Amino acid sequence: EAGVVQSPRYKIIEKKQPVAFWCNPISGHNTLYWYRQNLGQGPELLIRYENEEAVDDSQLPKDRFSAERLKGVDSTLKIQPAELGDSAVYLCASYRGSGANVLTFGAGSRLTVL
Amino acid sequence: GEDVEQSLFLSVREGDSSVINCTYTDSSSTYLYWYKQEPGAGLQLLTYIFSNMDMKQDQRLTVLLNKKDKHLSLRIADTQTGDSAIYFCAEINGGATNKLIFGTGTLLAVQP
Repeated sequence: EAGVVQSPRYKIIEKKQPVAFWCNPISGHNTLYWYRQNLGQGPELLIRYENEEAVDDSQLPKDRFSAERLKGVDSTLKIQPAELGDSAVYLCASYRGSGANVLTFGAGSRLTVL
Repeated sequence: GEDVEQSLFLSVREGDSSVINCTYTDSSSTYLYWYKQEPGAGLQLLTYIFSNMDMKQDQRLTVLLNKKDKHLSLRIADTQTGDSAIYFCAEINGGATNKLIFGTGTLLAVQP
């Protein structure tokens, strides 16, 4: 099992630039999550997908953040334009949809906005 | 709303036991989890406990759940330097939101 794959691992951009993060979940995992982890804090949910449907996006700052999971597999999280406060680690996780709600996390994408 | 709290830092000597504590507010939590995060890495699930259990043991790890007090603890026996990491407590209510809520994390420093 390959695990949850995220890219890029690191990204440094200037403020007002766009940025996108990609996530490939574990094969067969229908539920996909994007979390944001600020320095020294626990992860906070941005959006949750059940297959291709966004079922919880209440925490996603919709003025500048967008996400998609077009075929119910890979997902992309975009920020446009980025602000200094967006510097964080963006974590993707997936879950097969049954059992003990065990989420498997990717290694994360660390964003630095200058 | 849901809230999960942890102490920020714990320092132990190698070979001692470590106990990391967590309190939560959501009485409808169905599962509670402990995740480990090493520097620059994602979160690794260590163990979890169903809310109708009060204890779970897995090798060096013991999880205790006091549902009445909404208190969860993780005990690591014979702590090693490789256990140095940030430990996150998390809870999920399994209801319509199916959302995992994390604590702020406890940094465990193991002194040789």
